[in-house]
Amino acid sequence: AQSVTQLDSHVSVSEGTPVLLRCNYSSSYSPSLFWYVQHPNKGLQLLLKYTSAATLVKGINGFEAEFKKSETSFHLTKPSAHMSDAAEYFCVARGTANQAGTALIFGKGTTLSVSS
Amino acid sequence: GAGVSQSPRYKVAKRGQDVALRCDPISGHVSLFWYQQALGQGPEFLTYFQNEAQLDKSGLPSDRFFAERPEGSVSTLKIQRTQQEDSAVYLCASSLEEGFSYGYTFGSGTRLTVV
Repeated sequence: AQSVTQLDSHVSVSEGTPVLLRCNYSSSYSPSLFWYVQHPNKGLQLLLKYTSAATLVKGINGFEAEFKKSETSFHLTKPSAHMSDAAEYFCVARGTANQAGTALIFGKGTTLSVSS
Repeated sequence: GAGVSQSPRYKVAKRGQDVALRCDPISGHVSLFWYQQALGQGPEFLTYFQNEAQLDKSGLPSDRFFAERPEGSVSTLKIQRTQQEDSAVYLCASSLEEGFSYGYTFGSGTRLTVV
């Protein structure tokens, strides 16, 4: 069964320093992968998505992620954190279209804290 | 509308009460999903519709949970005889096609508290 593991439940950084949120997936085939962000009392917002095109994916707000099949990883990075980046981040996987499962599979989330 | 709309925003139910949660997807979106997000956890899949057809309901936790989308647009998630473990945020998401490349748009959710 497909699964997503977010390696850190909480990451704390200072404003202006790099952000790294780690995600590993378990799958026997190349999945579609997403990163979503959830601010308090707001809906989930798509940051970026990987769908078997370029392995380095650029998203909104300066975030990017690199798909590494050999490591089954899809880590999220940002060169310089901003206070407004503080939120919950979810790594999400989905199988290919001809697979029976249509659901998105969420990791447990990583809380990003940004201090001034 | 411009986004996925869910109502009510908050719902407090007494244990044993039935509740109905509504989702208005983006107009024209074929796929619709329901997810349950417990406190401090990631969302978990409940059920999936393609137009009016419920193609996957494997995530529904019990037969007290029922979802419908009779005309292929608005969907309702109904929970009968609510229990405290049903307390969670219920998220609805829609997608233009049954195709992962389009991504999914989520609503802000309904926070259900069973007392």
